[in-house]
Amino acid sequence: GQQVMQIPQYQHVQEGEDFTTYCNSSTTLSNIQWYKQRPGGHPVFLIQLVKSGEVKKQKRLTFQFGEAKKNSSLHITATQTTDVGTYFCADYTGTASKLTFGTGTRLQVTL
Amino acid sequence: DAGVIQSPRHEVTEMGQEVTLRCKPISGHDYLFWYRQTMMRGLELLIYFNNNVPIDDSGMPEDRFSAKMPNASFSTLKIQPSEPRDSAVYFCASSFFASPLHFGNGTRLTVT
Repeated sequence: GQQVMQIPQYQHVQEGEDFTTYCNSSTTLSNIQWYKQRPGGHPVFLIQLVKSGEVKKQKRLTFQFGEAKKNSSLHITATQTTDVGTYFCADYTGTASKLTFGTGTRLQVTL
Repeated sequence: DAGVIQSPRHEVTEMGQEVTLRCKPISGHDYLFWYRQTMMRGLELLIYFNNNVPIDDSGMPEDRFSAKMPNASFSTLKIQPSEPRDSAVYFCASSFFASPLHFGNGTRLTVT
């Protein structure tokens, strides 16, 4: 079945440094959703990418969808302690209703 | 809107006991999902419903797990009998066709 891998599994940065997580799939992705889960919390939707090569920005967050639709990335510029959490990518597998989550990247930010 | 409501927030039970987790989706959403989250396996989709009908239960680990959705505003996930390896956080989520998922706060289950 489809596997959506994320790298790195964990990253620890100092506040102000940049951070990037990558989402890779063995098969073509239909569309990509990104979620953030704070420690002890639940996943919260951030953004959806649909088109090949699409780039979207939310303040310090930049999301990209690969040209071949087999990968995606999330880049955070100048991290803040509020960025702490686990970031998941997710894709619809087969049908347009079954969302499969990637393995997640846990981000730790220290002062 | 109150969001997706799950109960209980925490459940501690002994091995062999029956556990029932409850979920109230957002009104108007036609999809409901049950996920399980562990450190080892991440976020796993157990089962999902569309218009109260189970569509895909291939993620349900074994016959000890069952889920129902008797109406559009309520769903249950039952484990009988429970085992220590079932310890995890169970999330319910709802959505309106292919739109982003809205997750509940989860139920942290501990089976001793």
